[in-house]
Amino acid sequence: NAGVTQTPKFQVLKTGQSMTLQCAQDMNHEYMSWYRQDPGMGLRLIHYSVGAGITDQGEVPNGYNVSRSTTEDFPLRLLSAAPSQTSVYFCASSHRGASYEQYFGPGTRLTVT
Amino acid sequence: AQKVTQAQTEISVVEKEDVTLDCVYETRDTTYYLFWYKQPPSGELVFLIRRNSFDEQNEISGRYSWNFQKSTSSFNFTITASQVVDSAVYFCALSEARSYQLTFGKGTKLSVIP
Repeated sequence: NAGVTQTPKFQVLKTGQSMTLQCAQDMNHEYMSWYRQDPGMGLRLIHYSVGAGITDQGEVPNGYNVSRSTTEDFPLRLLSAAPSQTSVYFCASSHRGASYEQYFGPGTRLTVT
Repeated sequence: AQKVTQAQTEISVVEKEDVTLDCVYETRDTTYYLFWYKQPPSGELVFLIRRNSFDEQNEISGRYSWNFQKSTSSFNFTITASQVVDSAVYFCALSEARSYQLTFGKGTKLSVIP
């Protein structure tokens, strides 16, 4: 099993550009989530999904969109990138929700100039 | 609302010293889950432990131990005889049973000096 994979590993965007961060898991997990990690701020939840077709907002959802058309994939879209979205993004999955061990992807380091 | 506080931003210890990382949480729920994750310098996030609110037994795993005290809303993590490989950022996290959200503390950076 590959576990949780994220692409790309690194990305540089200009302000106003859009892009999609990809996340996939091969463990048949129902629950998937996106976090951003900023220095001194820990990990903050952006969006999560409890199953295909179901998504909801976390603590810091503004400027991001998600969809969940399959169990395996949970892409995160930046609609119009801003310098404040410079961060490291982690995708995670869990078999039974936020109250169970999360399996994290390796992260995507995004810089917005 | 659930909240996790890790008051220690950075800690430095000399190898073989014991070190305790503090975690204080806030929740209105009676059923909740607490976690510790480790993030070594390579950047990945590694799960260490999960504890539910009904199990206050302390846990020991090798050099790691966890002290859960509901009376003080704390879930502290102790590393005994620290090693250089323990150098990492450690995160405490909380999930209420009725929430689909996991809330992390801001992390404690532990540096173990040889």
